Amino acid sequence: DGGITQSPKYLFRKEGQNVTLSCEQNLNHDAMYWYRQDPGQGLRLIYYSQIVNDFQKGDIAEGYSVSREKKESFPLTVTSAQKNPTAFYLCASSGSGFNEKLFFGSGTQLSVL
Amino acid sequence: AQSVTQPDIHITVSEGASLELRCNYSYGATPYLFWYVQSPGQGLQLLLKYFSGDTLVQGIKGFEAEFKRSQSSFNLRKPSVHWSDAAEYFCAVGAGSGGSNYKLTFGKGTLLTVNP
Repeated sequence: DGGITQSPKYLFRKEGQNVTLSCEQNLNHDAMYWYRQDPGQGLRLIYYSQIVNDFQKGDIAEGYSVSREKKESFPLTVTSAQKNPTAFYLCASSGSGFNEKLFFGSGTQLSVL
Repeated sequence: AQSVTQPDIHITVSEGASLELRCNYSYGATPYLFWYVQSPGQGLQLLLKYFSGDTLVQGIKGFEAEFKRSQSSFNLRKPSVHWSDAAEYFCAVGAGSGGSNYKLTFGKGTLLTVNP
């Protein structure tokens, strides 16, 4: 079945540690996105990529980094510079047309130890 | 800048009752509007979208939404709610013609509880 796979489902970070969240899609989508979701806050865009080897900052990119070396993969690293990393992280993908439907993964819950 | 307001943080309805979730948007031109649904601990799924044409849009799972330009609203409705509809619902607005997905703005969501 086509879809987006995020792993792990739960992740814990220690102080000063970088952690990487995985996102893989087999939908042949050009565009991929990372959102952060906090309770009662809706979704906020962290980074997005419209094509391989290119990505752009979203609204809340500070303390995060990404790479897009393959079309299928868009990993997100939460660095030690992100002082409030506890949140639910959602990866999404879409076609490259305008206002296309977003397909979401099932999310990763990141917590700080 | 575009914005979305979902006035109701939490709504409780009885199974079989009708449902209306409110969404108000702010955008200078004709917006592209979406409703997504999220089950606990899961990603979001698109229910329906409005781009142009008929202002009453039909979606999946028996949902519909009506675009009212004069009220800047895009309310989601369902005639008879099922227990499986319990979830969080997000309204989103995209930039108009030529809008890219990275310009999508989400509301803060409405949590729906369904009583048996």
